[in-house]
Amino acid sequence: AQSVAQPEDQVNVAEGNPLTVKCTYSVSGNPYLFWYVQYPNRGLQFLLKYITGDNLVKGSYGFEAEFNKSQTSFHLKKPSALVSDSALYFCAVRDSNDYKLSFGAGTTVTVRA
Amino acid sequence: GAVVSQHPSRVICKSGTSVKIECRSLDFQATTMFWYRQFPKQSLMLMATSNEGSKATYEQGVEKDKFLINHASLTLSTLTVTSAHPEDSSFYICSARDSSGNTIYFGEGSWLTVV
Repeated sequence: AQSVAQPEDQVNVAEGNPLTVKCTYSVSGNPYLFWYVQYPNRGLQFLLKYITGDNLVKGSYGFEAEFNKSQTSFHLKKPSALVSDSALYFCAVRDSNDYKLSFGAGTTVTVRA
Repeated sequence: GAVVSQHPSRVICKSGTSVKIECRSLDFQATTMFWYRQFPKQSLMLMATSNEGSKATYEQGVEKDKFLINHASLTLSTLTVTSAHPEDSSFYICSARDSSGNTIYFGEGSWLTVV
C-alpha cells in the first residue's frame, strides 16, 4: 500500500518570501515522487519528480524539492514566492512497480502581495 | 512537456442520458491512461486504469457499467457516464503516462453537470 500526507491544508506567505509545502509518503518499494499544481477549474500541471539520483530536484517555475529517505519526505520549496504561485498543490507517490499514483489531500498556497 | 487534451471541458446533460468525455495524448503514445474524479477542494480519486486494447481496471467502489472506459488506440481513451444522475456531477480528469512510464501528464479536466 502507498499513501501520501500533506499535513497543511493551507500555506500563506508574502510575495518574495520562501515557500515550503510539506509532503511525507509511505510505499513498500522504492518511491517515485511527484509534485503537481492545479489552478482553479484546471487540470494538474507537472512540476517535478524524483525517481533516482540527486536528492534535490529542480522543476518548473523555480520550484525544487528535496527527497529525504530517512524522513520519508519530499517537501516542495521555492526561494521567493510570487502571487501567481497561489494555487492548489498536490504531492503524489507511486511504487516503482506500479504506475498508479496516490495523491495527498492537497495544500492551498496563497501568496499575498 | 507532453500534452494531454480533454474534451469537452464543460458539459451539461439531462438526468438519465449518457455523456462521453475524450482524453487524447497529443504528442506521445500513451499505453496507459487513468481516469480520476475530483470533488470541489478535494484530492483526486482514481476511478480506473485504462490500457490500450484491453479492458479497464476499475478501483473498488467504481461501477464499471456506469462508467464505461474505452482505450481503442494509443492516443485516445474515452469515459462514458451512462444514465447520468445529479450525483455524478463532478470534475473528471484523465492522465496518461509516457513511454518511459516515469511521468504522468494530466488533461485539463472536464466539468460534468447533470440536471
